[in-house]
Amino acid sequence: DTGVSQDPRHKITKRGQNVTFRCDPISEHNRLYWYRQTLGQGPEFLTYFQNEAQLEKSRLLSDRFSAERPKGSFSTLEIQRTEQGDSAMYLCASRADSSYEQYFGPGTRLTVT
Amino acid sequence: QQQVKQSPQSLIVQKGGISIINCAYENTAFDYFPWYQQFPGKGPALLIAIRPDVSEKKEGRFTISFNKSAKQFSLHIMDSQPGDSATYFCAASIEGILTGGGNKLTFGTGTQLKVEL
Repeated sequence: DTGVSQDPRHKITKRGQNVTFRCDPISEHNRLYWYRQTLGQGPEFLTYFQNEAQLEKSRLLSDRFSAERPKGSFSTLEIQRTEQGDSAMYLCASRADSSYEQYFGPGTRLTVT
Repeated sequence: QQQVKQSPQSLIVQKGGISIINCAYENTAFDYFPWYQQFPGKGPALLIAIRPDVSEKKEGRFTISFNKSAKQFSLHIMDSQPGDSATYFCAASIEGILTGGGNKLTFGTGTQLKVEL
């Protein structure tokens, strides 16, 4: 059973550029979460998918952020017109309906210069 | 509003000693309390979790103590080893009802543990 995978692991971009991250959850996990973690802080919830439906978005998710989960499998998180304040680790987690346990991927480290 | 407060921010323990990390929560609707371990550059890894119907849960060298009336829970690492050196996060979620947030986790700010030889 493979774990949650994320791609890319690192992304350096210039301010104003668009970036897209991908998350592949554990197979058959129908719940998928995105979190953001800044240096020295715990992860903060961004958004949640139940299968392909995006059911909640945090206030942290500005209009420049969009997430999708077509067909209820992998998910993408896009940030448009990146700002230096977007620099963070973006974490994806998945979970099965039958369990409380959330499993995290290795994260994508974004640096906006 | 920080709903889960974690202390200490950092901790140094001698090899073989006991590491203790504490968390306090505000939202009485929280009913699932996991602990995660994170190494630099890696994602958080689930370590151990507890629900409020028990006061203690032990898995190997790791024990969670839970005090529902005080709204506090703690992680004890027995016989701490240098390989335990990492950042530890407590978290909480509401599981009793299916919320729109899919039982999202609320994390503490983390404790950086260093185990010295």
